[in-house]
Amino acid sequence: DAKTTQPTSMDCAEGRAANLPCNHSTISGNEYVYWYRQIHSQGPQYIIHGLKNNETNEMASLIITEDRKSSTLILPHATLRDTAVYYCIVRNNSGNTPLVFGKGTRLSVIA
Amino acid sequence: GAVVSQHPSRVICKSGTSVKIECRSLDFQATTMFWYRQFPKQSLMLMATSNEGSKATYEQGVEKDKFLINHASLTLSTLTVTSAHPEDSSFYICSARGQGTGNSPLHFGNGTRLTVT
Repeated sequence: DAKTTQPTSMDCAEGRAANLPCNHSTISGNEYVYWYRQIHSQGPQYIIHGLKNNETNEMASLIITEDRKSSTLILPHATLRDTAVYYCIVRNNSGNTPLVFGKGTRLSVIA
Repeated sequence: GAVVSQHPSRVICKSGTSVKIECRSLDFQATTMFWYRQFPKQSLMLMATSNEGSKATYEQGVEKDKFLINHASLTLSTLTVTSAHPEDSSFYICSARGQGTGNSPLHFGNGTRLTVT
């Protein structure tokens, strides 16, 4: 079972920041927070991951609360191409551990 | 970055026939690959874990004799749907992780849409 809770859907105006929340209150000490997104009829695309420090890359920023029970994915300037289902997943750092997907958040970026 | 390639991207087959889907890691060696399927408007569901050189591990409810997985090399895993039926129509997706630290991300293929008529 997925160990995360996300809103079912969100809207964001084009050009604005999209902030996608995720609750993972039962996260274990060795579990990382991963974010992926899936654009219609494509495979999931890796966005970012982190353990406890905030992370930033060319796609997004990941803010993890100090208690690690929740996190927020930030797309700083959303575009129409960012419309997708965004999945927040916790996973331990064993190489053979798969990603267990929840239902994700359907983000719609509106012009 | 790491690239996972799936082939074919789309296949239509008749009921009772078998279909093979290939998953390749193009620029890294993958000791472990994972197979998922996704029905319309649903999330990805893990089917099996494929380890190079050993038998795959199947999730509960997934028939190992129906969904044959072969992971004969570090860059190729195949999923064969045997005696396909219309209810097997789905979006099949593989993923793989390169060798290295355990927290390196999994990368996904672009999926194979199977339609059984």
